[in-house]
Amino acid sequence: QVQLQESGPGLVKPSQTLSLTCTVAGGSMSSGGYYWSWIRQHPGKGLEWIGYIYNSESTHYNPSLKSRVTISVDTSKKQFSLKLNSVTAADTAMYYCARGIAARNDAFDIWGQGTMVTVSS
Amino acid sequence: SSDLTQDPAVSVALGQTVRITCQGDSLRKYFASWYQQKPGQAPLLVIYGKNNRPSGIPDRFSGSSSGNTASLTITGAQAEDEADYYCNSRDSRGDHRRVLFGGGTKLTVL
Repeated sequence: QVQLQESGPGLVKPSQTLSLTCTVAGGSMSSGGYYWSWIRQHPGKGLEWIGYIYNSESTHYNPSLKSRVTISVDTSKKQFSLKLNSVTAADTAMYYCARGIAARNDAFDIWGQGTMVTVSS
Repeated sequence: SSDLTQDPAVSVALGQTVRITCQGDSLRKYFASWYQQKPGQAPLLVIYGKNNRPSGIPDRFSGSSSGNTASLTITGAQAEDEADYYCNSRDSRGDHRRVLFGGGTKLTVL
């Protein structure tokens, strides 16, 4: 049973970089067909796709965040990471990591529990 | 605004059937996936593909699609089905790599 767990600072100062890591437990990251993804949810709002990495090196990002986002993977540690630069209060949100699976029509079948990140000085 | 459009709120009487819809041009090419989110919890996949349920999802949940509209139907809604429901799909524009989410529908079970 694959499980995902987010980790990282819960408080980030404006203009700094938000850095989160998602650890994959109980499964392999090396198998193809998965999109290791980051999704966020502003308080009381809907889900917003941030981006994903697949095949260990190919990335795709939400155009609205693309200039500030980097997603990377370390398969040896079974982790993938999110970096979001130049954050503002508008980046305050619950951040989820999730696994997209091509075999299930690219659905996000496994989610982490989420980690709340607040941007404030 | 979202490229996938959902009604903000829907209600259903206990034991009755409710349909939650999701509209968008991308749904003419891609199936929608559906997620249930209860307060304080991560989203949970309930339907993917044409009409597939992950293990553990009750069979009262079903999905369908016609034209630019995808639907999630709950047949015999239970109190525990009260939640927010989100649809998502690929974006059929551009390189088809972008992922879309609907704005969500809050389901109230009366």
